[in-house]
Amino acid sequence: EIVMTQSPATLSVSPGERATLSCRASQSVSSDLAWYQQKPGRAPRLLIYGASTRATDIPARFSGSGSGTEFTLTISSLQSADVAVYYCQQYSNWPPLTFGPGTKVDIK
Amino acid sequence: QVQLQESGPGLVTPSETLSLTCTVSGGSISSYYWSWIRQPPGKGLEWIGYISYRGSTNCNPSLKSRVTISLDTSKDQFSLKLSSVTAADTAVYYCARTISDYRTSGVVDHWGQGTLVTVSA
Repeated sequence: EIVMTQSPATLSVSPGERATLSCRASQSVSSDLAWYQQKPGRAPRLLIYGASTRATDIPARFSGSGSGTEFTLTISSLQSADVAVYYCQQYSNWPPLTFGPGTKVDIK
Repeated sequence: QVQLQESGPGLVTPSETLSLTCTVSGGSISSYYWSWIRQPPGKGLEWIGYISYRGSTNCNPSLKSRVTISLDTSKDQFSLKLSSVTAADTAVYYCARTISDYRTSGVVDHWGQGTLVTVSA
């Protein structure tokens, strides 16, 4: 099973500033990496797949990069609507699908 | 726009079987994997398993002995049964559509709203 880790656990960013979230896989997942956003009390929503491809209707301020074992999700200009927990997930070698523990993003 | 909706009891007695159903609307049940994913209160996401539109299944090894996933294409529904539940199975259970094509197989592109199932006497 591929183990996913994320850092930091919590990230506080001022409105309009850049947020950078990291995800690491225990072995290479190539570019088979997705990011999800989960707002409080809501189901997760797909943001990014293929490490860098935005899903339908996702704003351009969200971008993903990386390959192999190291990945980054960047929110270029944080808005209050972006307060959420962000999860990475690998789909390179499954089952099982595995998720990271999440990074909580809030407003400073 | 495809929508998924979970239904089932919100309270299950320890050692009994948890049963949930997901109804899919606004899209075809064919050509995808249909997954169950759970999230204990305040914790992260755990993939439980999937059933394909052809009826093949695959489950998380950590739960495999207790999980049954079935499909009713006539009703556009799929279901989860988790046997011998304990308090550790208390979670929000999500049904979700999972892409099954070659390049993006495993991406979860649509989620139900989730349903909280509590295991307690």
